[in-house]
Amino acid sequence: QVQLQESGPGLVKPSQTLSLTCTVSGGSISSGTYYWSWIRQPAGKGLEWIGRIYTSGGTNYNPSLKSRVTISVDTSKNQFSLKLSSVTAADTAVYYCARGSYSSGYEAFDYWGQGTLVTVSS
Amino acid sequence: DIQMTQSPSSLSASVGDRVTITCRASQNINIYLNWYQQKPGEAPKLLICAASSLQSGVPSRFSGSGSGTDFILTISSLQPEDFATYYCQHSYSNPRTFGQGTKVDIK
Repeated sequence: QVQLQESGPGLVKPSQTLSLTCTVSGGSISSGTYYWSWIRQPAGKGLEWIGRIYTSGGTNYNPSLKSRVTISVDTSKNQFSLKLSSVTAADTAVYYCARGSYSSGYEAFDYWGQGTLVTVSS
Repeated sequence: DIQMTQSPSSLSASVGDRVTITCRASQNINIYLNWYQQKPGEAPKLLICAASSLQSGVPSRFSGSGSGTDFILTISSLQPEDFATYYCQHSYSNPRTFGQGTKVDIK
């Protein structure tokens, strides 16, 4: 059973960089045709896709965040990471990591981490 | 970006009721449409992918239909554990976007 677990600081100061890591267990991050995504959810609001990475290193980012986002992968540690720069209070949210997988050519997020709350405040 | 619009935003229903939630895409997305269930304090859970393909382990009372721009999630007989918020999400292009959610609560 694949499991994902987010980790990182729960409090980040405005203008600084938010850094989170997602550790994948129960399977190799490099196996299969998967991609690895970050998704966030402000309190009481909906879900926003931040971006994704393939284990080949290819990335796609949400244009609304692209100038501030970097997603990277460390296959040796079975982890992938998110960096979001120049944060403001609007970046306060629960951040989820998720696995994207293909079924008959169609993609969906089939495994999710439990989520981690990141608050941007001085 | 493709906009996903769900209706209603919330509904109240009783155990045993048939519930339908609609999701409309701002452009044709074929069947690149997924449905998720989220309970308070939990991560979303994938219910249906490719508009109508039920995920393994998901009860058969859940079903999905539609193609193009209009999609429906149906719960045939609402159970106590189904009270939650439901989201649609497209996987047609980047960025992936979600509907705003439909909260199903107890009447």
